[in-house]
Amino acid sequence: QVQLVESGGGVVQPGRSLRLSCAASGFTFSGYGMHWVRQPPGKGLEWVAVVSDDGTNKYYADSVKGRFTISRDNSKNTLYLQMNSLRTEDTAVYYCAKEPTFYFDNWGQGTLVTVSS
Amino acid sequence: QSALTQPRSVSGSPGQSVTISCTGTSSDVGGYKYVSWYQQHPGKAPKLMIYDVSKRPSGVPDRFSGSKSGNTASLTISGLQAEDEADYYCCSYAGSYTWVFGGGTKLTVL
Repeated sequence: QVQLVESGGGVVQPGRSLRLSCAASGFTFSGYGMHWVRQPPGKGLEWVAVVSDDGTNKYYADSVKGRFTISRDNSKNTLYLQMNSLRTEDTAVYYCAKEPTFYFDNWGQGTLVTVSS
Repeated sequence: QSALTQPRSVSGSPGQSVTISCTGTSSDVGGYKYVSWYQQHPGKAPKLMIYDVSKRPSGVPDRFSGSKSGNTASLTISGLQAEDEADYYCCSYAGSYTWVFGGGTKLTVL
């Protein structure tokens, strides 16, 4: 059974950094692209970033490009999102999601990031 | 990377059918066969309902169906049930390894 468990969320001041993790189990982690998708409180979903199955290719939404870095450690079955220069508008629940081909078939439960002074 | 356009809300009575539209551009919805739909109940993670425009994952009732015409995709739910009440989001591949979601539609079962 596929399981994705995010962690690392919390309250952080604007301009500071935070790293999220997503522990994966129940499937061959190294065989899939992995994504981060976020959802501000009371609002819709926003795609954030993707990393290829081997970790070499990474792509970002314009809203986070240059501030966020997605990465993965296939030896630990873990996905990461390093978030720097955080802004209040980055406040959201962050989900990790597994991608077979161009869609997201499994999602984690999400971790809340609150950027506030 | 502008969000796809969905109606804010739709409603229907049990047993009826509803259709949720999702309008994009030729750079996303119209340009690829990679539209997917997600159901989200309050406080829960999204759940995949439709992928590749019209394919249903195993376990999703055949009451849910998807289609696309030009730059607009649609999700139709027939035989509405109380448990279908939720938020629904469309998503499209937008090229260059980027994805775009719709703003979401709240489905109310009357």
